[in-house]
Amino acid sequence: EIVMTQSPATLTVSPGERATLSCRASQSVRSKLTWYQQKPGQAPRLLIYGASTRATGIPARFSGSGSGTEFTLTISSLQSEDFAVYYCQQYNDWWSFGQGTKVEIK
Amino acid sequence: QVQLVQSGAEVKKPGASVKVSCKPSGYTFTSYGITWMRQAPGQGPEWMGWISTHNGNTKYVQNLQGRVTMTRDTSTSTVYMELRSLRSDDTAVYYCARVVPGDWGFDFWGQGTLVTVSS
Repeated sequence: EIVMTQSPATLTVSPGERATLSCRASQSVRSKLTWYQQKPGQAPRLLIYGASTRATGIPARFSGSGSGTEFTLTISSLQSEDFAVYYCQQYNDWWSFGQGTKVEIK
Repeated sequence: QVQLVQSGAEVKKPGASVKVSCKPSGYTFTSYGITWMRQAPGQGPEWMGWISTHNGNTKYVQNLQGRVTMTRDTSTSTVYMELRSLRSDDTAVYYCARVVPGDWGFDFWGQGTLVTVSS
């Protein structure tokens, strides 16, 4: 099983600032990495796949990068609706999720 | 529009079984695989397994092998997830989701079903 590790566990950011979230895979997943956003009481929402391709309807302030074992999700200018928990997921070997990064308001 | 509607919350005793249903609508049932996750309070989603709605093939995560079974009924366009020998650490919200062709993600999710295991 491929283990996904996210850091930090919590990120405290002011609205309008940039947020950078990290995700590491226990072995190479090539570019087979997806990011999700989850708000309280809701199911996760697909943001980015293929490490860097935004899903339909996702704003351009969300961007992803990386390959192999190291990945980054960047939110360029945080809006109020972006405060949530973010999960990475690999799909190189079936699927597995990271434990999440909570982005909270400073 | 695409929707996945799950069955309601369940409370079970340790050792019992639970069967959760997931009924997709808004697309051709057999064109997309369905996957199941669970999420314990404060934790990330745990992938449990996948079922092909086309032929019923399944794949389960290793640590649930022997306790979980996923099935589908093409006559009612419904997918089921049964978990047996329940323990307290099986308490979680269980989600079904549609798998995007190419397997790169899960684009539509059910509303979640809370399963509580308590004596």
